Amino acid sequence: DAKTTQPPSMDCAEGRAANLPCNHSTISGNEYVYWYRQIHSQGPQYIIHGLKNNETNEMASLIITEDRKSSTLILPHATLRDTAVYYCIVRPYGTSYGKLTFGQGTILTVHP
Amino acid sequence: SAVISQKPSRDICQRGTSLTIQCQVDSQVTMMFWYRQQPGQSLTLIATANQGSEATYESGFVIDKFPISRPNLTFSTLTVSNMSPEDSSIYLCSVEDRHGDSGANVLTFGAGSRLTVL
Repeated sequence: DAKTTQPPSMDCAEGRAANLPCNHSTISGNEYVYWYRQIHSQGPQYIIHGLKNNETNEMASLIITEDRKSSTLILPHATLRDTAVYYCIVRPYGTSYGKLTFGQGTILTVHP
Repeated sequence: SAVISQKPSRDICQRGTSLTIQCQVDSQVTMMFWYRQQPGQSLTLIATANQGSEATYESGFVIDKFPISRPNLTFSTLTVSNMSPEDSSIYLCSVEDRHGDSGANVLTFGAGSRLTVL
């Protein structure tokens, strides 16, 4: 799986948008970008994924650059409950979804 | 989404003992996955458990240390054998699942079992 690089930590004010970057400059054409988050004392939770188009769901938006070498996860109105470790994962489509390679992620702290 | 229950949620164990972690899923699944998260670290896949066959272990993990059972399509156990303080970690069970809205294949995790070995 392609390697990803994320900032170790970020802060965000409650109610503001949180923009979490991820660099995946060695991504291959058949690899998707997945985002998971892990709230303290819980298991990781799927947020969103995409291939090359921007994606939006009820939790977040995913913006992937045209060259696919980086992406940004956007939480449009961060709340205190969004404080968590956010993992950006790149993996090929069609392979076992159980075998995820987690990096160190970004610790997002949302403050009042 | 699948609902996963793990037992115990946490335990304190003595060096040299073994502990079995249980993972129960509310639906039938083909594969179950066991991950480890050492203190302050990210998650690492230990093994994949298929019903009716031997578990497949990742590099660095062996069956003698982490025996796995998979007696049916909703249940699995992971045993941490002959524990040492280095085994103090969170152990997480997960399954492949379909995300409700998108239909995407994703992983759903249990809350984890936090083991402390003294």
